[in-house]
This record gives sequence, structure tokens and C-alpha cells, in this order.
Amino acid sequence: DVKVTQSSRYLVKRTGEKVFLECVQDMDHENMFWYRQDPGLGLRLIYFSYDVKMKEKGDIPEGYSVSREKKERFSLILESASTNQTSMYLCASSYPARSYEQYFGPGTRLTVT
Amino acid sequence: GENVEQHPSTLSVQEGDSAVIKCTYSDSASNYFPWYKQELGKRPQLIIDIRSNVGEKKDQRIAVTLNKTAKHFSLHITETQPEDSAVYFCAASRAGRRALTFGSGTRLQVQP
Repeated sequence: DVKVTQSSRYLVKRTGEKVFLECVQDMDHENMFWYRQDPGLGLRLIYFSYDVKMKEKGDIPEGYSVSREKKERFSLILESASTNQTSMYLCASSYPARSYEQYFGPGTRLTVT
Repeated sequence: GENVEQHPSTLSVQEGDSAVIKCTYSDSASNYFPWYKQELGKRPQLIIDIRSNVGEKKDQRIAVTLNKTAKHFSLHITETQPEDSAVYFCAASRAGRRALTFGSGTRLQVQP
């Protein structure tokens, strides 16, 4: 079974803080993704990575950055958290040579006060 | 970029009835269309997908149809059961692009 884990289920941060969200997958997947999920807006892609140290902007990258130093780990960074970044953050991974299916982590609910 | 619209946003059906969720996409180069199911408090999971070289795919009580000319695809669930209650997301992707563009989701409620 593919396992995708995220560092926290719930996180509360203050405006202006630097926030790190971490995602780890154990199946040697090449692709990793970060989405945010908001009611009525579905899943919106923030960034994705198709290899170590490689990244591409998604649809809503503003205010976020990412890091992928090891194949199994993909970090999302909020350089200076703002209240409009309060959301559910979902990480996913996939192995395109085998299938396009994305495997999701359990999500991190981030509240910025 | 790709834009995926999904309707309806909420759907309530009686147990045993059928449910249909529709999506339209904007990028004619899109060729992969998955559907994900997210139960309350859980992570999204793939339930069925279709590629642009076929018009319909079935898996037990669920089916997906694709109309490339009209750029829309639909999820059909027959003989709905209470455990089908969840949020369903459609998505689209084109060849060479590793990422998916998701629709806004449909909350399906199956009334016993």
C-alpha cells in the first residue's frame, strides 16, 4: 500500500510566521504535489515536483515556495503566513510510469490568526 | 491553462436511485479524466478514470462517459447506497503535463 504522510493534522500559526508543511511518501514516487482545498473551490494546485530539486508552479503559487531535497520528501513553505492562507493543505504523489493515479496524504488543516 | 467546471455542487438522491455528476473542460488537448471520492474527514481516492481514446468505462455501479467534441465528461452512479455519500471531484490533464486540474466538487448525499 502506498503511504503518504503529512507532518501535522492541525496547525495554528500567527500572521507573519514562517510555516513549514512536510509530506513524505514511501513508494519511490517521482511526482509530488501540494494542493489547498477550500469549500466550493475544489483542490487547487500550488506547486508540484517531478524530481529531486525540480519544481513547477501550479495555479496558485503566490505566497508559497517548495523544497524537494530528497525523493521521498516534499515541503511546502509559507514565507510569511497570512490569514487568507487558512485552509486544508493536501499533499499527493504519483508514479506516472505505472499510472496517473495520485495518492493523497491525510491533509493539514492550517489556521493563521 | 485548463479550466474544469463541475455541476451540481450538491446532489441529494434516495437510496437506490441513480446519480449523475457532470464536468466540462476547456483544454482540447486534455486526454486523461479521473474521478476522486472524498469521504468526510478522509483523503481523496481515485474511483475511476478514462482516457480520451474511449467514450465510456464501467466498474460495477459506477461509469464514466466522455464526449470529446463537446468537451464534457460525466460520472454515473447506479443503485446508490448510503456509503456513496461523499464529495466527488472530477479532474483533467493533458499529455505531458503531470498535474491535474480539479473541478470544484459535488457533495452527494444518499438518503436511506
